[in-house]
Amino acid sequence: AQSVTQLDSQVPVFEEAPVELRCNYSSSVSVYLFWYVQYPNQGLQLLLKYLSGSTLVESINGFEAEFNKSQTSFHLRKPSVHISDTAEYFCAVTERGGATNKLIFGTGTLLAVQP
Amino acid sequence: DVKVTQSSRYLVKRTGEKVFLECVQDMDHENMFWYRQDPGLGLRLIYFSYDVKMKEKGDIPEGYSVSREKKERFSLILESASTNQTSMYLCASSGRTGGQLYEQYFGPGTRLTVT
Repeated sequence: AQSVTQLDSQVPVFEEAPVELRCNYSSSVSVYLFWYVQYPNQGLQLLLKYLSGSTLVESINGFEAEFNKSQTSFHLRKPSVHISDTAEYFCAVTERGGATNKLIFGTGTLLAVQP
Repeated sequence: DVKVTQSSRYLVKRTGEKVFLECVQDMDHENMFWYRQDPGLGLRLIYFSYDVKMKEKGDIPEGYSVSREKKERFSLILESASTNQTSMYLCASSGRTGGQLYEQYFGPGTRLTVT
């Protein structure tokens, strides 16, 4: 079975500052990893994913995440945040090669960008 | 663009009522999922379906049932609503092949209040 830990429930940050949202996972099998974002009053949207290949993956809006197998982590970073990045961010994991691609989600981190 | 729609954004029901939440996707996806989202708990899987008429329990199926008679539609049923089922309910779908492997697409959510 897999599990995901997002230790920070809320991360306040000033506009244009860098940010890191932490995600650690636990699994006895190989996994795929995802970050989803939920803007206020909306459903979740996929931000980025790691399936294979380069351990550093990027989104179109400047976020990046690095898969670190030895530390079982998939932290999300952005060098300079905007007010519009205010949202809740969820890390998720699924078993590599699983038949039903069930996702296991973390509890979420609210990124609050202040002017 | 993949579209996942949910029948209601907001719903208020009384304790003991039978409640139907409907979800429709337009991408011919095989897999469909129902989650509930609660503050501090993230998303928890209630039920999922990997084909028409097929269903499997998720992590918190108690008090819920589902129906999938057509590929595009997945219904969540609360047989006798209780106040502890007040929550945000999110539907998602995903395919099993191609470049979108393992990516789940979410609807906007239904905020259900049981009084």
